[in-house]
Amino acid sequence: DIQMTQSPSSLSASVGDRVTITCRASQSINSNLNWYQQKPGKAPKLLIYSAFTLQSGVPSRFSGSGSGTDFTLTISSLQPEDFATYSCQQTYSTPPWTFGQGTKVEIK
Amino acid sequence: EVQVVESGGDLVKSGGSLRLSCATSGFIFSNAWMSWVRQAPGKGLEWVGRIKSKASGETTDYAAPVKGRFTMSRDDSKSMVFLQMSSLKTEDTAVYYCTAERGSYYLFWGQGTLVTVSS
Repeated sequence: DIQMTQSPSSLSASVGDRVTITCRASQSINSNLNWYQQKPGKAPKLLIYSAFTLQSGVPSRFSGSGSGTDFTLTISSLQPEDFATYSCQQTYSTPPWTFGQGTKVEIK
Repeated sequence: EVQVVESGGDLVKSGGSLRLSCATSGFIFSNAWMSWVRQAPGKGLEWVGRIKSKASGETTDYAAPVKGRFTMSRDDSKSMVFLQMSSLKTEDTAVYYCTAERGSYYLFWGQGTLVTVSS
């Protein structure tokens, strides 16, 4: 199975900060990488799919990049509603489609 | 408006069984590939399994920890998908989410249903 490793596992940041979260796959997954945002007690919400395509309705301050094994989620200017946990997911080839362990973004 | 609603979560003893249901509306269910994703308390998301549409053979795939114990099925006439769980273990304790695939990503999610397995 493909393992997904996110870093950091948590971070503290201030409103307006630029935030970068990294996801690394244990083997090449081309661009088959999705990013989700999850707030406490809520279901995950799709932010970005296929590594860099912004889901409709998601603010443009969110962006994704990378291919192969290394991927990045960037929030260009952190807003109060962005404090949440972010998870990557690979959907390369056949299941299991594994998730990263999540990155919790907290208020500094 | 798309709706995905899970039900059936409960407290069950280790070794027991439980059946989760997922009712959907607002999209063409018969064409959808449906998945279950779970989240143990304080932990990350874990992919559980997937069932393809009837047109794609209604085949299923499962994560290694649940293979042989969990079974997914679907009823296209009711736009529902089910997760039959047996030989439950304490490590199966989690919120179970039902989700519909769009391409190779999960766009529609339910609110989750809590399964607690006690020893």
